[in-house]
Amino acid sequence: TQLLEQSPQFLSIQEGENLTVYCNSSSVFSSLQWYRQEPGEGPVLLVTVVTGGEVKKLKRLTFQFGDARKDSSLHITAAQPGDTGLYLCAGALIGYKLSFGAGTTVTVRA
Amino acid sequence: DSGVTQTPKHLITATGQRVTLRCSPRSGDLSVYWYQQSLDQGLQFLIQYYNGEERAKGNILERFSAQQFPDLHSELNLSSLELGDSALYFCASSPQGNYGYTFGSGTRLTVV
Repeated sequence: TQLLEQSPQFLSIQEGENLTVYCNSSSVFSSLQWYRQEPGEGPVLLVTVVTGGEVKKLKRLTFQFGDARKDSSLHITAAQPGDTGLYLCAGALIGYKLSFGAGTTVTVRA
Repeated sequence: DSGVTQTPKHLITATGQRVTLRCSPRSGDLSVYWYQQSLDQGLQFLIQYYNGEERAKGNILERFSAQQFPDLHSELNLSSLELGDSALYFCASSPQGNYGYTFGSGTRLTVV
């Protein structure tokens, strides 16, 4: 059983559309991170959120940390083919060890 | 280049054998983490070292062991390999007090 549940598991959209990926847990995290992973490569850190209710924007990506620090969402506006990849959320519980969700595979069709 | 170097990139070996995966962390990072990624299990935490000392242990089998050397590079040893050990093995590093991990490109292990 995953500590962090991500939904949906797969997402396929047309270029220019918007998408949202969700990351939920019953645990409270001291911080939550989002990573993107491309085939054959390691995950790359996109953002870290620390404060409940925090919203961070990275160009067309908007990340939100839930008020209770148990959930998070990633919203992409006007998706582009370059946004294609596996999106992973990861939560920090004890120390700096991260627990990862199973990931959401996003495909943006040109 | 993320700054975290993993070797080898690919490894094919037979069941029952032993292999060693190597990781050089990003310059200045004291923590090294090992993760296993398979299609059905996702990224699973194996073990963490901080400045040469084991800091946390996850779902690491007894057949697996790791260490971090004085120069901070780390090695993950996998022995008595089984078909189910086939996976991507990632090393990540982080500086003290920073939650951001930098991952290497991984070692793809195939056990035949």
